Amino acid sequence: DVKVTQSSRYLVKRTGEKVFLECVQDMDHENMFWYRQDPGLGLRLIYFSYDVKMKEKGDIPEGYSVSREKKERFSLILESASTNQTSMYLCASSSPGLAYAYEQYFGPGTRLTVT
Amino acid sequence: AQTVTQSQPEMSVQEAETVTLSCTYDTSESDYYLFWYKQPPSRQMILVIRQEAYKQQNATENRFSVNFQKAAKSFSLKISDSQLGDAAMYFCAYRSGRGGSEKLVFGKGTKLTVNP
Repeated sequence: DVKVTQSSRYLVKRTGEKVFLECVQDMDHENMFWYRQDPGLGLRLIYFSYDVKMKEKGDIPEGYSVSREKKERFSLILESASTNQTSMYLCASSSPGLAYAYEQYFGPGTRLTVT
Repeated sequence: AQTVTQSQPEMSVQEAETVTLSCTYDTSESDYYLFWYKQPPSRQMILVIRQEAYKQQNATENRFSVNFQKAAKSFSLKISDSQLGDAAMYFCAYRSGRGGSEKLVFGKGTKLTVNP
């Protein structure tokens, strides 16, 4: 079974802190994604990566950065956390598919509260 | 840009009955994929069913089936013989068929309650 794990289920940080959210997958997937999930807004893509050291902005990248130094690990960084970044953060991974859309596998999520 | 609309924020169904969740999407592409994902309370999101746009036949997975109407850009999910374990948030998602396009566009979700 594919396993996507996230470093914390719950996290509480103060405004202005630098926050690291870690995601690890064990299926050798090339693609990794970070989403933000808010009630009534669904999932919105923050950043994604097709390969090690590669990253692309999603729909809401402002206030976030990412790092992918190893294939299995994709980190989301909040440089200076703000209260409007309080949310559920979901990581996902998938195999690349030119002629087929492979499913994305999701982690359990990190519920971040910024006070 | 593609958009996905789920017009039912909440739905409820009696155990053992059938429920249909609605999803519409907007795209100018002819090649794409559609998905339904399920997110149970406090549990990980999992894929329920997938539909390739080039396939006319509606996808089916056990009690889950879709009604894919390409011309109408509609992709509804039917759950038959509903079970308590079907209670979850359901998200409809779109993926372009263009090579190298891996992003999913999600709808806002429908919360399904199953009443015993």
